[in-house]
Amino acid sequence: EIVLTQSPATLSLSPGDRATLSCRASQSVGSSLAWYRQRPGQAPRLLISDASSRATGIPPRFSGSGSGTDFSLTISGLEPEDFAVYYCQHRRNWPRGTFGQGTKLEIK
Amino acid sequence: EVQLLESGGGLVQPGGSLRLSCAASGFTFTNYVMNWVRQAPGKGLEWVSGLSGGGGVTYYADSVKGRFTISRDNSNNTLYLQMNSLRAEDTAVYYCAKDSPHGAFDFWGQGTMVTVSS
Repeated sequence: EIVLTQSPATLSLSPGDRATLSCRASQSVGSSLAWYRQRPGQAPRLLISDASSRATGIPPRFSGSGSGTDFSLTISGLEPEDFAVYYCQHRRNWPRGTFGQGTKLEIK
Repeated sequence: EVQLLESGGGLVQPGGSLRLSCAASGFTFTNYVMNWVRQAPGKGLEWVSGLSGGGGVTYYADSVKGRFTISRDNSNNTLYLQMNSLRAEDTAVYYCAKDSPHGAFDFWGQGTMVTVSS
């Protein structure tokens, strides 16, 4: 089973800052990695698929990069709605979808 | 506009059963794998089960295999999750989620809460 480890667990930043979130896989997942944002009390929303492709309607301040075992999500210019929990997910064993444990992005 | 609307959650005793439904609209339902994902209170996301577009191929997480059954009614654009032998650790919000052509979950329902407690 491929395990995803996200870091840091919590990231404290201010609106307008740049955030970089990390996701590391225990073995290669190629580019089969997605990122989601979950606001309190809401369902997750897809941000990035195939490691670097923005989903429909996602603003360009969100960017994903990486392949193999190391991935990152960068948010340039944090907006108030970006303070939430972020999950990475791999589908290497499609359709099974394993998630990371999440990174909480909080207001400093 | 794609919409997924779950229903059927509630309070059930350990060992009991519950059936969740997910009504889909806004896309060609039969063309997509559909999934159930759950989230225990204060915890992360856990993929539970997936079902092929035609309904013939099912997939389950080890934690629910043999207890949960996923199915779909393509004539009514509805996904189901039959949950038997429920345990306290099955307590969670259950989301249905649509597969995207790129392998991610591109649309999610709002979730339905299942509480297993005596």
